[in-house]
Amino acid sequence: GAVVSQHPSRVICKSGTSVKIECRSLDFQATTMFWYRQFPKQSLMLMATSNEGSKATYEQGVEKDKFLINHASLTLSTLTVTSAHPEDSSFYICSPRQAANYGYTFGSGTRLTVV
Amino acid sequence: DAKTTQPPSMDCAEGRAANLPCNHSTISGNEYVYWYRQIHSQGPQYIIHGLKNNETNEMASLIITEDRKSSTLILPHATLRDTAVYYCIATRFGNEKLTFGTGTRLTIIP
Repeated sequence: GAVVSQHPSRVICKSGTSVKIECRSLDFQATTMFWYRQFPKQSLMLMATSNEGSKATYEQGVEKDKFLINHASLTLSTLTVTSAHPEDSSFYICSPRQAANYGYTFGSGTRLTVV
Repeated sequence: DAKTTQPPSMDCAEGRAANLPCNHSTISGNEYVYWYRQIHSQGPQYIIHGLKNNETNEMASLIITEDRKSSTLILPHATLRDTAVYYCIATRFGNEKLTFGTGTRLTIIP
């Protein structure tokens, strides 16, 4: 169980455009979704937390208007990087939670390169 | 979360046991020790967790010292596919926010 599908796995976009990353929990319902990012040679950093049907909570230093999170259903959450710039190039990883005490599953990640 | 300290890198010969240490001297009584690993360009993978007793599953064994100030993750027969960054995290059970440190980069040598 606890299968997570994240795509695209890799995307290259032009500066100023927007990119949408999808994260699906295939065999369970995710009440909470965590989004992390990882810059080269660094560790994962939590960006935001969202609960199904409510607004996301962003970590300090993460622009909520730039990183739009939609968690409208229990099986799908999306992260949209708006007006992407080269400094947004990173590895983005989702982590859906089935319930407070269950599940430590991560998506396979999306490598975003902004040129 | 309690602060954890891990060596930045380790090598291990293929087929041998890989022993990865983690120091968590300020761990509190309700914090568990979790281990994850991240293979290059993939998302993290849960390995094992424990509170105070040693634990074993199909992937690894976790040895926690009696005072709980340190632990060791053991991969009994390392393979090349075990090459990854291994993260030790001390946190409350069910804590939704995981704080990843810099981990240990384990390289399995043929």
